[in-house]
Amino acid sequence: AQRVTQPEKLLSVFKGAPVELKCNYSYSGSPELFWYVQYSRQRLQLLLRHISRESIKGFTADLNKGETSFHLKKPFAQEEDSAMYYCAVNNAGNMLTFGGGTRLMVKP
Amino acid sequence: EAGVTQSPTHLIKTRGQQATLRCSPISGHTSVYWYQQALGLGLQFLLWYDEGEERNRGNFPPRFSGRQFPNYSSELNVNALELEDSALYLCASRTRGDYGYTFGSGTRLTVV
Repeated sequence: AQRVTQPEKLLSVFKGAPVELKCNYSYSGSPELFWYVQYSRQRLQLLLRHISRESIKGFTADLNKGETSFHLKKPFAQEEDSAMYYCAVNNAGNMLTFGGGTRLMVKP
Repeated sequence: EAGVTQSPTHLIKTRGQQATLRCSPISGHTSVYWYQQALGLGLQFLLWYDEGEERNRGNFPPRFSGRQFPNYSSELNVNALELEDSALYLCASRTRGDYGYTFGSGTRLTVV
């Protein structure tokens, strides 16, 4: 069965520190992976997808097929990055499966 | 362009009642997905509709059902409500060929 694992429920860092939110998946084939973010009192929104290889709000994520990981990284965290982050993988059923989410708290 | 809209924003029901939640996808999006976001449980997939047909359903009992209308809007019905059905219900839509979803703001269902 397909599974997306985000091992940390909570990640707390100080402003300016590097941040890495981990995501591991189990899927056979060529998955498409996403990171979604949910800021306080806002709707869930797409942050980035691996296929576009872009950097959004300073965040990047590299798909590592060997380690089946898609970790989200930012070199210098900002307070406004505090939010809930979800990793998601598309399966053959055209359906996104989400990880359990990681709450990122950036302290001043 | 209007985003994905969901109604109502909040819904309070008594145990045993039925709840109906509605979703209007982005214009041009033919697929609608429903997810349950219960406290501490992340996003659990409920149902997927495409072109008016149910394409897949998650691990939920049959009292969770829905449909998609010719204009691609969708309804989620929850019968015989239980206290543990209290959650935020999210609707998302996508267009054919694009696997990125656009989410609505959700309907907060509270069962008392």
